[in-house]
Amino acid sequence: ETGVTQTPRHLVMGMTNKKSLKCEQHLGHNAMYWYKQSAKKPLELMFVYSLEERVENNSVPSRFSPECPNSSHLFLHLHTLQPEDSALYLCASSQDNSGRPNEQFFGPGTRLTVL
Amino acid sequence: AQSVAQPEDQVNVAEGNPLTVKCTYSVSGNPYLFWYVQYPNRGLQFLLKYITGDNLVKGSYGFEAEFNKSQTSFHLKKPSALVSDSALYFCAVRDGGSARQLTFGSGTQLTVLP
Repeated sequence: ETGVTQTPRHLVMGMTNKKSLKCEQHLGHNAMYWYKQSAKKPLELMFVYSLEERVENNSVPSRFSPECPNSSHLFLHLHTLQPEDSALYLCASSQDNSGRPNEQFFGPGTRLTVL
Repeated sequence: AQSVAQPEDQVNVAEGNPLTVKCTYSVSGNPYLFWYVQYPNRGLQFLLKYITGDNLVKGSYGFEAEFNKSQTSFHLKKPSALVSDSALYFCAVRDGGSARQLTFGSGTQLTVLP
């Protein structure tokens, strides 16, 4: 695998639940990402933590809340989700050198189902 | 703004035949281009990238891609397809002049028929 792990791999939750997705990278990278992958749609970048700075997609609802306690760990806290939030949530990491785009390494994803 | 298009949702090819998966992009500055592959129930895996230099880029598993600036394209190719190449392929672009993040295409499902 790629050196990026995600837990859990599958999650089923009700609309009133609170849960968290976890991502850990073992590659020594300094940037981490959350993506949402829905069927027949492009990958949607949700959040980026790069060089200690958080960058977010303004269209992401506030029911999704990221946390990055250090450069190796990334969380996505979920609360009061809607059925349309059901998707594959992918975590990725990269080495972010200013002006030099490096490839991202992806985890296997968490398949989220909201009932 | 940067954008990328993969005009084919599905590509079918016979094993042993050459394959092409198409990608076109739009950026205002110099493009940085990437191809990723996704197998079922897995995350995306990096295949190759174009940053600068030779227009023909070679990557993993025998894949290559040709950067064509005049046609704003970055098509993925392989001379001889394998059944194991069947997967979902994503093209991605970053505008070197203004953007810090990648924009992905919607993906092309490649099926190699035995």
